[in-house]
Amino acid sequence: QQQVKQSPQSLIVQKGGIPIINCAYENTAFDYFPWYQQFPGKGPALLIAIRPDVSEKKEGRFTISFNKSAKQFSLHIMDSQPGDSATYFCAASMATGATNKLIFGTGTLLAVQP
Amino acid sequence: DTAVSQTPKYLVTQMGNDKSIKCEQNLGHDTMYWYKQDSKKFLKIMFSYNNKELIINETVPNRFSPKSPDKAHLNLHINSLELGDSAVYFCASSQDSPNVFFGQGTRLTVV
Repeated sequence: QQQVKQSPQSLIVQKGGIPIINCAYENTAFDYFPWYQQFPGKGPALLIAIRPDVSEKKEGRFTISFNKSAKQFSLHIMDSQPGDSATYFCAASMATGATNKLIFGTGTLLAVQP
Repeated sequence: DTAVSQTPKYLVTQMGNDKSIKCEQNLGHDTMYWYKQDSKKFLKIMFSYNNKELIINETVPNRFSPKSPDKAHLNLHINSLELGDSAVYFCASSQDSPNVFFGQGTRLTVV
C-alpha cells in the first residue's frame, strides 16, 4: 500500500502550545520521511526529515518522533507561534530509478492563536 | 534568485484548450518533477525526469505531456483541458537526495 495516513485534519492551539501531528504508513519500502510546511499561495517547503533507523530528530522547535515497529511518525512543534500557522504535510519517500517518489499525507491545517 | 520557478502563476482557460506551464530550476539538480495539488490540498506526483529521461509516469491521462529540453527545464503541456484538470501544479527538483524542493505553483482554472 502506498498510502500515508495523516491526522488530525485541522488543529488549533494557543501560542506556546505544542501541536502534534501524526502519520502512519504501510509500505516498508519507504526509506525517508520528510515533513513539509505550506503557506497559502506558496509551494510546500521542506521542514525536517528523518530516516527509519533514527527514533527522533530535532531541528530548532521542530521534532520528529519515529516508531519503526508501529510504522508511525509524528511532528511536534515546541513553543508554537502564530507564524507557524500553515498546512503541514507528512510524506514518505522511496527511491524510484534515479528519482525519489514522495507519497504525501492529506495535510493538517494548523492555526496558532496569539 | 528563485530556485524553482514556474510560469505562469495563474492560468484561466476554457475547456478544450491546450495550455503549457513552464518550469526552470537554477539549483543544478538532475531530477525534476511535476506534482498536482487538488482542491482538497492533496498532493500527488505526476511525473519525474532525471537528466531529461522520463522515470515516473503516474497513471496520468495522456493529455498531459511533460517535456524536458535540458535538465534545468521541465515543461508541462496539457491538451483538451477538462474541468477536472483545475488544480495547482507544482514543479520540483532534487539532486542525489530524497529532499525535494518545490516551486511556487501554477493555479490552473478551467472554465
